[in-house]
Amino acid sequence: DAKTTQPPSMDCAEGRAANLPCNHSTISGNEYVYWYRQIHSQGPQYIIHGLKNNETNEMASLIITEDRKSSTLILPHATLRDTAVYYCIVRVATGTASKLTFGTGTRLQVTL
Amino acid sequence: AAGVIQSPRHLIKEKRETATLKCYPIPRHDTVYWYQQGPGQDPQFLISFYEKMQSDKGSIPDRFSAQQFSDYHSELNMSSLELGDSALYFCASSKRESGQYFGPGTRLTVT
Repeated sequence: DAKTTQPPSMDCAEGRAANLPCNHSTISGNEYVYWYRQIHSQGPQYIIHGLKNNETNEMASLIITEDRKSSTLILPHATLRDTAVYYCIVRVATGTASKLTFGTGTRLQVTL
Repeated sequence: AAGVIQSPRHLIKEKRETATLKCYPIPRHDTVYWYQQGPGQDPQFLISFYEKMQSDKGSIPDRFSAQQFSDYHSELNMSSLELGDSALYFCASSKRESGQYFGPGTRLTVT
C-alpha cells in the first residue's frame, strides 16, 4: 500500500472549517483514500473514502486532486468533539477486504 | 445502529497466563479484523478473517491465534503473555470494501 504524509498537528477554532491535508504521491490506480479518526483511546472511527471523485457525507468532505497524489479532508464546522488524531490511509481494493496501515496521523486540536 | 461489540472491556493478567478476547461484528458484516495499539502508538494490524477464513496476517506473534466462528464472531487467543502485550486490542468489521467499523477495544494489562 502507498505511504502517506500528514502534518503531525493542526489547530482549528471551533465553528471554522478544518482542512486536513494528506500527500500520497505513490498511490496506484486501484488504491482508495480512506480517512479515519481516533478520539483518545476510543476505537478508530471511519469518516469517508474515495477513489478519484470528491466525496461528501454527513461528517466530512474529501477532496482528491486530479493527479490523485494528494487529498484534503474537510470538516466544515469543527466542534470541540472533533479533537482527535486523523489518519489518512491508502488502501488497495481487493476481492476480500484488506487491512488498514495506520501512519502517525494528524493531531487536530479544536479550540474555543 | 448496532456496533461492534468487544468483551471484556478490561482484562488484567499475569505474565505467562493466557487471555481470550471476543469480538461480535456488526450484523451482516462478513470480515473481521484485529488490531493492537500499544501505549502512545498507532494501531497495528494483527489478522483478519473473511467468511470465516483467514484473509490477511500482519505482525501477529506466534503466541497469538485467532478464528472466526460460524456466527461470524471472532476470538483472539493469547498465550504465554508478556509485559509487552499490554495494549488496547481493537476489533473491526466490514462488509467487503466498505469502511471498517471499530469496536470500543479491550484494554489488556499484563503484570
